[in-house]
Amino acid sequence: GAVVSQHPSRVICKSGTSVKIECRSLDFQATTMFWYRQFPKQSLMLMATSNEGSKATYEQGVEKDKFLINHASLTLSTLTVTSAHPEDSSFYICSALEMGALDTQYFGPGTRLTVL
Amino acid sequence: GDSVTQMEGPVTLSEEAFLTINCTYTATGYPSLFWYVQYPGEGLQLLLKATKADDKGSNKGFEATYRKETTSFHLEKGSVQVSDSAVYFCALSDRSNDYKLSFGAGTTVTVRA
Repeated sequence: GAVVSQHPSRVICKSGTSVKIECRSLDFQATTMFWYRQFPKQSLMLMATSNEGSKATYEQGVEKDKFLINHASLTLSTLTVTSAHPEDSSFYICSALEMGALDTQYFGPGTRLTVL
Repeated sequence: GDSVTQMEGPVTLSEEAFLTINCTYTATGYPSLFWYVQYPGEGLQLLLKATKADDKGSNKGFEATYRKETTSFHLEKGSVQVSDSAVYFCALSDRSNDYKLSFGAGTTVTVRA
């Protein structure tokens, strides 16, 4: 089946630093990837849609200068949390859209970010 | 806009019990429907899916049927195991919304031995 990886799985950083999270589709090409944020015991909140070769589309209320997204190839999208603060601590999950028969999103295992 | 409503939990069951999680949806187009499962500390795994009316998705003993007339996609399993303890999300995607997923709130299921 389609596999999506994320790296790192966990990261702890100091307030004010930037953190980059990678999302890779391992066995399929994904022109579109999505980035989500999940708070404890809640559903996923879509942050942005990442399209290969073009600018990301951000959902309302998500700061594009805070959460930089780059989709440089058909298998890699990155999310950079800039000048991180404790309120950015969360579980970040990416997904990749497999175009084809069923247009299904496959999810990565998530990245736990803790900002001290 | 598109939306998904699923049965609120938590749901606690004994092993080998029958599980049903209700899911209904509202969509302007003709969506594809999904059930995802999330184990603690992990991302979401696709459990099953259906793309048109009367399609039945099935996997690992779980089933759900796309019912257009009742706009529902209820998840069922005849005999649950402790390993089925997880959070289950019903979701839909629609081409008219660029295939963004609309999620239900999630239902926490705990199966006791």
